[in-house]
Amino acid sequence: DTEVTQTPKHLVMGMTNKKSLKCEQHMGHRAMYWYKQKAKKPPELMFVYSYEKLSINESVPSRFSPECPNSSLLNLHLHALQPEDSALYLCASSQTRRGDTQYFGPGTRLTVL
Amino acid sequence: KQEVTQIPAALSVPEGENLVLNCSFTDSAIYNLQWFRQDPGKGLTSLLLIQSSQREQTSGRLNASLDKSSGRSTLYIAASQPGDSATYLCALTSGTYKYIFGTGTRLKVLA
Repeated sequence: DTEVTQTPKHLVMGMTNKKSLKCEQHMGHRAMYWYKQKAKKPPELMFVYSYEKLSINESVPSRFSPECPNSSLLNLHLHALQPEDSALYLCASSQTRRGDTQYFGPGTRLTVL
Repeated sequence: KQEVTQIPAALSVPEGENLVLNCSFTDSAIYNLQWFRQDPGKGLTSLLLIQSSQREQTSGRLNASLDKSSGRSTLYIAASQPGDSATYLCALTSGTYKYIFGTGTRLKVLA
């Protein structure tokens, strides 16, 4: 099974809402990633978790809060977002951080009103 | 700072053509380079992964090469089909273990 699942597929939220994006993999991978992708742009790395510990934070605003409850799950908590945060949020996983193949989920399309 | 550029930005070809997509990077200190395809509004599908010690990888109609000394990778697609229409992205892992994506090439194969 080489699948990474993400829920929800679509999310519309107001600027005062609190919501969470979820990502799950059952490949035994120990590194998980969050990316943000704006239209017609490449994905941009937000966070990297390695062995359930946050190892890279690409200076992402605090209104995005990642959480890794266990090695299979990765959450992204959203609070007080801005309209410019509307994007496709992609989750990925790899065996380790050391340049292994990354497997991507289908993404969550987020719209902030 | 590592910069990754893909040329051309967009490409439209008739079905059956062989084509080459290019990926250039400025820092040769990479661990590997991966090619992905992305359909509109969808996630990324891994196509090929080339480790820094390798020169090329092949999968079906796809062949990817890597020349670290010149900072280039190419993705060769043989006998293109309309189903190959997508955006193709290269991504490389450099010294800080972060994936850096190229700017992408939007490919359209006409039936």
